[in-house]
Amino acid sequence: DTGVSQDPRHKITKRGQNVTFRCDPISEHNRLYWYRQTLGQGPEFLTYFQNEAQLEKSRLLSDRFSAERPKGSFSTLEIQRTEQGDSAMYLCASSLGWDEQFFGPGTRLTVL
Amino acid sequence: AQSVSQHNHHVILSEAASLELGCNYSYGGTVNLFWYVQYPGQHLQLLLKYFSGDPLVKGIKGFEAEFIKSKFSFNLRKPSVQWSDTAEYFCAVRKNAGNMLTFGGGTRLMVKP
Repeated sequence: DTGVSQDPRHKITKRGQNVTFRCDPISEHNRLYWYRQTLGQGPEFLTYFQNEAQLEKSRLLSDRFSAERPKGSFSTLEIQRTEQGDSAMYLCASSLGWDEQFFGPGTRLTVL
Repeated sequence: AQSVSQHNHHVILSEAASLELGCNYSYGGTVNLFWYVQYPGQHLQLLLKYFSGDPLVKGIKGFEAEFIKSKFSFNLRKPSVQWSDTAEYFCAVRKNAGNMLTFGGGTRLMVKP
């Protein structure tokens, strides 16, 4: 399968712990996006990379969140000192330029 | 800030019925418009997109959508639904040459066999 992949698919953690998620985009895609989706809502934009540069961040992305795309390929999203309100599905998407965004399966985070 | 409204949260239809899902957005500039579908247990997939040109857009699986600029709408239609169309449908908007997608809250469609 050459689509967007995300790891892990599920993560359960205790409040206050740090978690890190990984996204591998479609190989030739230069743009990578992170979204968050809570139950009953549509995805909400978090941040966007063009190659290795993080060019846009949502106000939803608090100081506890950090994302990287060190070599312009895979990306990581880290949440420090998790809170129960961080429980959500974290979605990664990639695109070639301004074309459509292809989404991965998501990482479901549960903070106890 | 732009927003997207999907007025129907849940829709139940019988097979062969016609479908129309509403989507309205609030942004006055040029936009790109998308409908994504999420089948049970699967990830978001693109059904169709509008960037420019003919406002009637045809997508996969017999779906189509019509962009009506004066109404800020991009409604999704299918003349005859199948049980396999049971899924959640999301409308999304992006400012032209922008980056982020703004999604509506989704419409959960159940098709009864």
